[in-house]
Amino acid sequence: ETGVTQTPRHLVMGMTNKKSLKCEQHLGHNAMYWYKQSAKKPLELMFVYNFKEQTENNSVPSRFSPECPNSSHLFLHLHTLQPEDSALYLCASSLSGTPEAFFGQGTRLTVV
Amino acid sequence: ELKVEQNPLFLSMQEGKNYTIYCNYSTTSDRLYWYRQDPGKSLESLFVLLSNGAVKQEGRLMASLDTKARLSTLHITAAVHDLSATYFCAVRRDSGGGADGLTFGKGTHLIIQP
Repeated sequence: ETGVTQTPRHLVMGMTNKKSLKCEQHLGHNAMYWYKQSAKKPLELMFVYNFKEQTENNSVPSRFSPECPNSSHLFLHLHTLQPEDSALYLCASSLSGTPEAFFGQGTRLTVV
Repeated sequence: ELKVEQNPLFLSMQEGKNYTIYCNYSTTSDRLYWYRQDPGKSLESLFVLLSNGAVKQEGRLMASLDTKARLSTLHITAAVHDLSATYFCAVRRDSGGGADGLTFGKGTHLIIQP
C-alpha cells in the first residue's frame, strides 16, 4: 500500500460512453501524474499537475481530459475512446524536493 | 528527447545464478529509479539513485549509477523464484517546474526457474 488510491480498479466502457478515473493521495504531496501502460509501449507519462496546476501535457488526445481540483485528488475524464486506448492507467504522486514517486494500483481500462 | 533503454528485455535464468540488467539513458538526469512490477499489479519502488557512484542494496538486489556513462545496473545475486517479475528503470524528466514525470524503459521481464 503506497498511499495512492485509484478507483475503479477495473473499467469496461463502450466507445460512446463517458467515464472518469479517480486518484487520491493523503501523503501531503503536491504533484500528481497520470501514466498509461499499454501492452505494446513503454509506460508513458500523460499529464503532470503541480499544486493543482497542469504543468505538462504529453501530447495526449483531447478525448482524455484531466482535472485536479486540489493537490490530493486527480481525475481523468474519458469520452469517445478507441479500443487502442485500452490499457492500465496509473496515477502517481510526489513531493517537490524529495526523490520518491509513489504509484497507485492502477485502473485496468478496456474499451469495447 | 530523453530516451531510456533497458537490456535485456527478456531474461530467463535459473535459481542460484547471478545476472545484471542494464539501463542506459540519453540525457543528463539527477535521479534514476528502479521499479518492480508483478503481473496485473502496480509499480513497487525498489531504489532511487541520486548521485554518481551511488550504490544501493536490498536483499539479493543491488543497483548502481554511473552518471558520466549514463548507465545504471541492477544486479541480482543468487536468484530465487520470488524475484520473477518485470523490472523497470526510469529517469526523471527535468522540466524545471518542480514536478517532474519519469521516462521509463521498456522493462525487463525476468523469469527465474527452479
